[in-house]
Amino acid sequence: DAGVIQSPRHEVTEMGQEVTLRCKPISGHDYLFWYRQTMMRGLELLIYFNNNVPIDDSGMPEDRFSAKMPNASFSTLKIQPSEPRDSAVYFCASGDPNQPQHFGDGTRLSIL
Amino acid sequence: SQQGEEDPQALSIQEGENATMNCSYKTSINNLQWYRQNSGRGLVHLILIRSNEREKHSGRLRVTLDTSKKSSSLLITASRAADTASYFCATGFGNEKLTFGTGTRLTIIP
Repeated sequence: DAGVIQSPRHEVTEMGQEVTLRCKPISGHDYLFWYRQTMMRGLELLIYFNNNVPIDDSGMPEDRFSAKMPNASFSTLKIQPSEPRDSAVYFCASGDPNQPQHFGDGTRLSIL
Repeated sequence: SQQGEEDPQALSIQEGENATMNCSYKTSINNLQWYRQNSGRGLVHLILIRSNEREKHSGRLRVTLDTSKKSSSLLITASRAADTASYFCATGFGNEKLTFGTGTRLTIIP
């Protein structure tokens, strides 16, 4: 298995632009997680899905952030409009009840 | 929010020495895990310890758990240059929100 695949690996865009991050989980994993890593706040959960249904989105910072999982093999995290404080590394992870979560290599997002 | 603190925040040792990192957490747990993060990469799962276990080994890794003190430690023996990375403890498991510690940045000096 190729593991969790995230794209793009790096994204640099200007404030106010829409940003879309993508994730392909490991096949067969029923759970998908989006985390954000910053120097100030460390690693924190934004949202997670079970069988494509959002279960807990309490970590989503504000309405500018939205996440979808249209099918078992794809998820997006969207920021619109983006702000400089959204600059961070965003990780996608997938898992199931019987094994640890597997992480992608992340998207390093810079908002200018 | 982060589960707790890890110490030290940074650690530099000579290759071949042992490295010990500590983690404290705040709430009751079922599982505690340790992850490694190489620079610019995602997190890689190292080892899981369950709440009813006190110690676990995997290769050069040894993890201990003290639920009465809400703390865990990770020992890496006979360190290698390739062990240079950040190490995080996390509570939760594959189907749950992971709550991470602040991390220890380990540097192995060749």
